Amino acid sequence: EVQLVESGGGLVKPGGSLRLSCEASGFTFSDYNMNWVRQAPGEGLEWVSSISISSSFIFYSDSVKGRFTVSRDNAKNSLYLQMNGLRAEDTAVYYCARSPPGYCSSHTCRNWFDRWGLGTLVTVSS
Amino acid sequence: DIVMTQSPDSLAVSLGERATINCKSSQTILYTSNNKNSLAWYQQKPGQPPKLLIYWASTRESGVPDRFSGSGSGTDFTLTISSLQAEDVAVYYCQQSYTTPLTFGGGTKVEIK
Repeated sequence: EVQLVESGGGLVKPGGSLRLSCEASGFTFSDYNMNWVRQAPGEGLEWVSSISISSSFIFYSDSVKGRFTVSRDNAKNSLYLQMNGLRAEDTAVYYCARSPPGYCSSHTCRNWFDRWGLGTLVTVSS
Repeated sequence: DIVMTQSPDSLAVSLGERATINCKSSQTILYTSNNKNSLAWYQQKPGQPPKLLIYWASTRESGVPDRFSGSGSGTDFTLTISSLQAEDVAVYYCQQSYTTPLTFGGGTKVEIK
């Protein structure tokens, strides 16, 4: 069974940092592109970042570019999101999501999300 | 950025009746390499993560009941629930997978009338 388990969320002050992790199991992690998608309380879905299979191609939304860094460790079946310079508007549930392979290039990632974790809540407040 | 616009924001449908949700993209999302439209649909129930229903505009994900179907091309797309069941109460989102930034519609809440 495919499982994606996020961790690392919590309460942080504006300007602070957090590192989210996503541990994958039940599939060959190194065969899939991976993503972070977030959802502010009571709001819709917002794509945050995508990373290709071998980390060759990485993309961010404009709202997090320069502040967040996505990475993966295929040996550990894990995806990460380092979040710096956090703002109140970053408050959200952060989901780790899997995407089928073959659709990332240097220009773009044509990803849809076929499996999701349960999410981890990040709250940015003083 | 490609803007995805869903309508209506919410709808109430009687059990067993048809529910139709619309999604419009601000530009064409046809992937010319395979001549398929880069549009996915998700279902999100309260307190749960989204679940993929449809990709490539009309390909049903494995395990999704066949009462869910996707259609459309170019910039206009539709998710149809042919016979609404109680367990279909949820918020539904469309998403373009044509290019980054990947973008979602604002969601449509489906309730029982």
